[in-house]
Amino acid sequence: GDSVTQMEGPVTLSEEAFLTINCTYTATGYPSLFWYVQYPGEGLQLLLKATKADDKGSNKGFEATYRKETTSFHLEKGSVQVSDSAVYFCALSSGNTPLVFGKGTRLSVIA
Amino acid sequence: DTAVSQTPKYLVTQMGNDKSIKCEQNLGHDTMYWYKQDSKKFLKIMFSYNNKELIINETVPNRFSPKSPDKAHLNLHINSLELGDSAVYFCASSQDGNGNQPQHFGDGTRLSIL
Repeated sequence: GDSVTQMEGPVTLSEEAFLTINCTYTATGYPSLFWYVQYPGEGLQLLLKATKADDKGSNKGFEATYRKETTSFHLEKGSVQVSDSAVYFCALSSGNTPLVFGKGTRLSVIA
Repeated sequence: DTAVSQTPKYLVTQMGNDKSIKCEQNLGHDTMYWYKQDSKKFLKIMFSYNNKELIINETVPNRFSPKSPDKAHLNLHINSLELGDSAVYFCASSQDGNGNQPQHFGDGTRLSIL
C-alpha cells in the first residue's frame, strides 16, 4: 500500500538557520503530495501541496518540490523563526484514497 | 469563524463508559473524516463520509460508530471505552473525496481514559 517516510525528529535549530525535512513516498499511480503543520494544541493546517511531478509548492517561506524520479517531497526553508516551531507532517493521496501521513517531525527553533 | 469545530476539546472519563464527540463544518464540504492521533503523534484515518454516506471504514473496533445526520456534521460515538482509546481525535473535511483537495482539520478532542 501507499506509504510516507519522513525523517525522525526532533529537529532543533537556531533562528535563521536553514531547514530541511526529508520526505519520501511509495505509491501506485501519481499521488498528490502535501505538507501539513501542527502548532501546539491545534489541529493540522495545510502548509503547501503539489499535484504533479516537478510542481513546487510554497507558502510562508517554505518550499517543497515533487520529485518523481526520487519519489521525494523534501520541505525546505531558508531562514526559520521561533514561530515555526511545530510538528510537520508529509502526506500523500492517490485518487480518492484518504490521506496517508508520515509519522511527523517535531521542529524546535531557539532564539 | 471556525471552519471545522469539534466538541468537547477535552474529555476525561472512566473505562467502560460511552461517550460522543461532535464535529461540524461550515465550509460546505461534501466529505468529512475522523482521524486518531496517538501519543507519538502518529495520525491514522478512521472513517470517511461523503454526503452522509460511509466511504471508508478502516480497521476500527465496532465500539466506534460514526453518525452523519447531514453533510455538515459527523459525530463519533464510542462505546465501552478502553485505556487504549486514549488519544487525540481529529475531525476534518474536504470539498470532495478527491485526493487533490486539501483537508481542513478541527483543533482536536483529547480523550483520556482513567
